[in-house]
Amino acid sequence: ETGVTQTPRHLVMGMTNKKSLKCEQHLGHNAMYWYKQSAKKPLELMFVYNFKEQTENNSVPSRFSPECPNSSHLFLHLHTLQPEDSALYLCASSQAGTQRSGYTFGSGTRLTVV
Amino acid sequence: GNSVTQMEGPVTLSEEAFLTINCTYTATGYPSLFWYVQYPGEGLQLLLKATKADDKGSNKGFEATYRKETTSFHLEKGSVQVSDSAVYFCALSGEGNTPLVFGKGTRLSVIA
Repeated sequence: ETGVTQTPRHLVMGMTNKKSLKCEQHLGHNAMYWYKQSAKKPLELMFVYNFKEQTENNSVPSRFSPECPNSSHLFLHLHTLQPEDSALYLCASSQAGTQRSGYTFGSGTRLTVV
Repeated sequence: GNSVTQMEGPVTLSEEAFLTINCTYTATGYPSLFWYVQYPGEGLQLLLKATKADDKGSNKGFEATYRKETTSFHLEKGSVQVSDSAVYFCALSGEGNTPLVFGKGTRLSVIA
C-alpha cells in the first residue's frame, strides 16, 4: 500500500472515552504532521514530527497527545475531549528539509464527540 | 512571518465557465507555492506547484504562475466541470524546515 493511510475513517466517542487515531505512511518520508480541520475555520497545524522528534506543538490542549514511534507511524491519543473537538483530523507526511515537494495527506478521520 | 491570502468563497460557476481563484502571499526569500484540492469527504491532494519565480504549475487543466513581482499565485482553469467542485487551498513553503502555511480555502461549486 502506498501513500498516507489514516484509521479509523470515522469515530464517535463520548467525552469520557479514550481513543487513538492512527496514521501510517509508506513513502519513505521522515516528517509527519497532525492538522485539525473544523467547519468554517482554517486548517490548524497541531503537531510536527521530524525524524520521530516533536518539533512543533501549536498550543494544543493536553487532552490531545501525539506519539511517533518511528518515521512511518504517527498516533494521536485522545482523552476527555469536548464537543468542540469534533472535526476532521488530517495526517500528512513530507521529506524533512525538502519542503519544496509539498505534503502528502491522508483522507482524514472524522471525529464526533458526544 | 509567512502568510497566504486567498479569495473568500463560495464561488459558484456554470459548467464550462472560466475559473480564477486569487492567491497572494507574504514571505521572505524564495518560497515554493502550491495549490491543494479537497474533494468532499477526502483529505487534501496536491494539485500543482511552482518552486521559483515565473514557473507555471499545471495539472488536470488547472494552471498557476508564480509571480514574484505581484506576490501572487492565482489558480485558473479555462473550462470547469461539475467534477471540479471542491475546496481549493493555496499554500506556501518558506525557506528552511518550516511547516507549510495554508490559506483559508475557497469552496467552488460547479453547476450543470
